Amino acid sequence: SQTIHQWPATLVQPVGSPLSLECTVEGTSNPNLYWYRQAAGRGLQLLFYSVGIGQISSEVPQNLSASRPQDRQFILSSKKLLLSDSGFYLCAWTKRGNSYEQYFGPGTRLTVT
Amino acid sequence: GDSVTQMEGPVTLSEEAFLTINCTYTATGYPSLFWYVQYPGEGLQLLLKATKADDKGSNKGFEATYRKETTSFHLEKGSVQVSDSAVYFCALSDVPASGGSYIPTFGRGTSLIVHP
Repeated sequence: SQTIHQWPATLVQPVGSPLSLECTVEGTSNPNLYWYRQAAGRGLQLLFYSVGIGQISSEVPQNLSASRPQDRQFILSSKKLLLSDSGFYLCAWTKRGNSYEQYFGPGTRLTVT
Repeated sequence: GDSVTQMEGPVTLSEEAFLTINCTYTATGYPSLFWYVQYPGEGLQLLLKATKADDKGSNKGFEATYRKETTSFHLEKGSVQVSDSAVYFCALSDVPASGGSYIPTFGRGTSLIVHP
């Protein structure tokens, strides 16, 4: 069966510090991968998606970046965090060739102080 | 572009009450439709899905029917429990964007609070 991991689960970082969030998927190959942010309230904001190693598409211009160094690894980074980067970050994957339902990780709660 | 509209919440019910959360959509193609549930502090989980008109998705007592004529996918449950308290998201996946990646469209979510 497939599983998706995210770490860390929670993170408190000062403004201006760097960020690295990691997501890995097990039990599947060549997934589509996604990073979302969920700010105060409930809505999901798509940040990045990837259809393959080294292929990243950005949906929202900001001080975040993403990388996919391996087939099942997706990393979200920032060189200098802003207060507005606080939120709940969710990684998700889909398997190609089906109805494209998404499977989400447990999330990372980021608080920028 | 594609869009999903959900009823505003929170929806507050007593245990064993009937639940309906409305969802309507606009799409250029023939999308698949989904309901996801998010419990406090967790990621989203797929609750149910439907891939073609008149399909009924069901899971854990929840049901939703793909209505193409009304572009709707309303979520229903006959008797809610306290444990159903969560945020519910309606979503669709349409034809793939360039590169073969489906970019799903989510509604804003509806919070459900069930009291004992």
